[in-house]
Amino acid sequence: EAGVTQSPTHLIKTRGQQATLRCSPISGHTSVYWYQQALGLGLQFLLWYDEGEERNRGNFPPRFSGRQFPNYSSELNVNALELEDSALYLCASSLWVGTGYTFGSGTRLTVV
Amino acid sequence: DQQVKQNSPSLSVQEGRISILNCDYTNSMFDYFLWYKKYPAEGPTFLISISSIKDKNEDGRFTVFLNKSAKHLSLHIVPSQPGDSAVYFCAATASGSARQLTFGSGTQLTVLP
Repeated sequence: EAGVTQSPTHLIKTRGQQATLRCSPISGHTSVYWYQQALGLGLQFLLWYDEGEERNRGNFPPRFSGRQFPNYSSELNVNALELEDSALYLCASSLWVGTGYTFGSGTRLTVV
Repeated sequence: DQQVKQNSPSLSVQEGRISILNCDYTNSMFDYFLWYKKYPAEGPTFLISISSIKDKNEDGRFTVFLNKSAKHLSLHIVPSQPGDSAVYFCAATASGSARQLTFGSGTQLTVLP
C-alpha cells in the first residue's frame, strides 16, 4: 500500500511569488491535514480537509489556502510568499485518530 | 496559547539506559494522546497512543504513562538504542474535534553509544 506522497520534495521561490504543494493520501483515507514545521519549531496546524470540504484552519493568514479534490488528494497554496514561510510542509492523512495520522515526507519550501 | 507543551527541547541518554520524555497539556477536553517519532528529512511516524480511560500503555520497549490529574504524559523507552535518536512529538485530541491533532514542539533525543 502506497503511503502519503507529497510533491515536490523541495521548492525554492522568490519573495512575493506563489507556491503550490501537493499531497496524495493513503487510499481510502478521506481526511488530509497540512502542518508547517518552521526551523526549531513544532508542528503548527494549517488546514484540515475532509470529503472535499475545509473543516478547520489554524492560526495562519488567508494567503495560506488549499483544496481537496474528488479523489481526496489535496493542494496547499501559499500566496505572496514571505521569507518566514520557509519551512517543511507536512501533509498527513487518516481514517480515524486511533491509529494516528500517516505523514508524508514533506515539502521543503525555501523563500529567498 | 500552546495547549500541548514539551518543555525539554533535547535529551541525551546512554545506550541501554531509560529515556523519559515528558509532555504537559492544558486542554481538559483532550482525551486521546499519541507519540510520534521523526527522523530528519522524513515525516513523523506514529509510535504509541493512550486513551484517557487508561493510565498506561505498553508496546515493546515503549511505554506511555498518563496522569490526568496533573495533565501530564510521559514516554519511557527501555532500553534506549542509538536508532532511537530522533525528535519525539507528543500530540493530543478531543473527541469532539473529530480527529484533529494538536502537537507539542518536540524533544530531540540523542542516545549515545
